[in-house]
Amino acid sequence: GAVVSQHPSWVICKSGTSVKIECRSLDFQATTMFWYRQFPKQSLMLMATSNEGSKATYEQGVEKDKFLINHASLTLSTLTVTSAHPEDSSFYICSARSRQSSGELFFGEGSRLTVL
Amino acid sequence: KQEVTQIPAALSVPEGENLVLNCSFTDSAIYNLQWFRQDPGKGLTSLLLIQSSQREQTSGRLNASLDKSSGRSTLYIAASQPGDSATYLCAVGFNAGNMLTFGGGTRLMVKP
Repeated sequence: GAVVSQHPSWVICKSGTSVKIECRSLDFQATTMFWYRQFPKQSLMLMATSNEGSKATYEQGVEKDKFLINHASLTLSTLTVTSAHPEDSSFYICSARSRQSSGELFFGEGSRLTVL
Repeated sequence: KQEVTQIPAALSVPEGENLVLNCSFTDSAIYNLQWFRQDPGKGLTSLLLIQSSQREQTSGRLNASLDKSSGRSTLYIAASQPGDSATYLCAVGFNAGNMLTFGGGTRLMVKP
C-alpha cells in the first residue's frame, strides 16, 4: 500500500511552546489529508480535514487557532499545536487519500506528544 | 450523527481459533468501510477496504463482509496466531470525501 510518514514520532515539550508535526505522502499525491487525535485506549477522533491549497475544515470543538493546519503541497500537511498545555498531550495521527485511490485511506505511524 | 460500534471491546482466544469481530453502523448509506489494525503506540495499518457495492473482501487469513441493509460488517480471522494480537478498528466512510467515522475498536489477544 501507499506510505504515509509522520515526523516526529515522539516529542516532549514544555507548556507554552509550539510543536509542529509533519505528515508526508511518500509515493503518491494526497489531495486530502486528515488529522486525528487518539487518547489512551480510545478510538480516533477526527480533528480536521486538510485540502491542498485551501483552508482546513475543523470538526466541532476543535480550536483552529490552537491546532494550525497547513497543506501547502500535495505531499505535505503540517499540524502545529500552539501554546501547548498538558491536556494537549495525546497521540496524533494523519491519514491521506491519493488522487488515484479507490477511496482507501492510508495512515501515518502517529506522533506522541507529551507536554510537561 | 453517524455512529460506529464494535463488539466485543476486548477478546482473548487461544492460538489457532477462528474468530469474528463485529462492527455496526447506524446509517446504511455508506460509501465504503475499512478495517484497520493498530499495534500499541503505532499508527494504523489498512487491512481491508470494502466499497458500498461489495459484499466482502479477502486477504490471506482475513475476510471482511458487509451487509449494508442491516448496518453490519464482520472481520473473520482464520487460524489466529499470537502475532494477530492488536487492536482492530472498523471505520466507515459516509461520503466520497472519505471522512471516516471510527468504531471504538476490539482489543484482541491471541495466547500461544
